[in-house]
Amino acid sequence: EDQVTQSPEALRLQEGESSSLNCSYTVSGLRGLFWYRQDPGKGPEFLFTLYSAGEEKEKERLKATLTKKESFLHITAPKPEDSATYLCAVQARGNSGGYQKVTFGTGTKLQVIP
Amino acid sequence: EPEVTQTPSHQVTQMGQEVILRCVPISNHLYFYWYRQILGQKVEFLVSFYNNEISEKSEIFDDQFSVERPDGSNFTLKIRSTKLEDSAMYFCASRAQGTVKNYGYTFGSGTRLTVV
Repeated sequence: EDQVTQSPEALRLQEGESSSLNCSYTVSGLRGLFWYRQDPGKGPEFLFTLYSAGEEKEKERLKATLTKKESFLHITAPKPEDSATYLCAVQARGNSGGYQKVTFGTGTKLQVIP
Repeated sequence: EPEVTQTPSHQVTQMGQEVILRCVPISNHLYFYWYRQILGQKVEFLVSFYNNEISEKSEIFDDQFSVERPDGSNFTLKIRSTKLEDSAMYFCASRAQGTVKNYGYTFGSGTRLTVV
């Protein structure tokens, strides 16, 4: 069974204090790894897709990296508006043999204090 | 920016009643999905739909659930006889062909289903 584990569960940072969120995964036939942001009462909002070990993607203060077993979301000099739950998800082979199933982790709830 | 629209935003139903959750995916998208998130838990895959048929479903998606694309714009999730444990936020998502790399899946804002 596909497993996605995120740590820490919650993270409180001062504005400007950089840190990293971790996502470790165990899947069969990984097709892609996603990072999403979720605000309270909202649907997940797409941030990045990573496909192969060594790949990196950047967007504003966020940078995502991927190894064969885990992914990191690095947040540089965060601002209060970066406060949200960050979700990691993997796209892997489903029971039908296709790649339509996406398995999410439980998320890291980030709070950035001014 | 194009959005996935879900209605209603909140639905309360009695146990045993049928509910239909509605979604309008982005117009040029071809792949459609339903996910659910029980309060405080992770987002869980329910079903994927492509070319007017189910392409993948999870163990959660049992005979009580069905999906339909009744016309060119709507995508619905029906729960035939709701149970208390069906209470959750239900998210619809869609994507276009070959766009996962740059755009991932676009999620709606969800329908909060409360079964009493």
